[in-house]
Amino acid sequence: DTAVSQTPKYLVTQMGNDKSIKCEQNLGHDTMYWYKQDSKKFLKIMFSYNNKELIINETVPNRFSPKSPDKAHLNLHINSLELGDSAVYFCASSQDSGTGRAEAFFGQGTRLTVV
Amino acid sequence: GENVEQHPSTLSVQEGDSAVIKCTYSDSASNYFPWYKQELGKRPQLIIDIRSNVGEKKDQRIAVTLNKTAKHFSLHITETQPEDSAVYFCAASKNDMRFGAGTRLTVKP
Repeated sequence: DTAVSQTPKYLVTQMGNDKSIKCEQNLGHDTMYWYKQDSKKFLKIMFSYNNKELIINETVPNRFSPKSPDKAHLNLHINSLELGDSAVYFCASSQDSGTGRAEAFFGQGTRLTVV
Repeated sequence: GENVEQHPSTLSVQEGDSAVIKCTYSDSASNYFPWYKQELGKRPQLIIDIRSNVGEKKDQRIAVTLNKTAKHFSLHITETQPEDSAVYFCAASKNDMRFGAGTRLTVKP
């Protein structure tokens, strides 16, 4: 009955590889996010999807691409991985209250290590 | 876009003392201000939130105040306990959710 689940929890890969992280939410929320948390613990928003449309695309490299097959899923694809991509990636979802966003529920995080 | 600044970056208090963390935001259209607690190796979890039509909200030992004119909001934790030790994030939201840089709170027994 996990609300927001992401897989895998740990991902170790070599530079130059392409990888994907999957995220699913069963809360019926209409907005999903991807955040990157670096070693300094800063939570930086990467993407936000509302009703399957990208509404925010932060200044992240185009090697990162979000893909949303439906409202409950937002996957993150990363091409040509670099050492600096090592971080914890969190998926989150929230419900549009009509006047703005509400509480964001986070997945357990994916610790990506690029070697 | 929204820019959220949070201070201090680290805070150490003695058990039983109060802790205050302050945040400012830049977008006057933001109308939702949550606070998250993140324990080591865990996901961020909501501890309290406030909407722009409210100036103050309290939940047991935790309270949040909001000054819309000045565009700043604060988290107050009273009677701190060692289990309050964690990283705390503020956030401001309208169409997305932007986080502050976090405050590492240490409560010494």
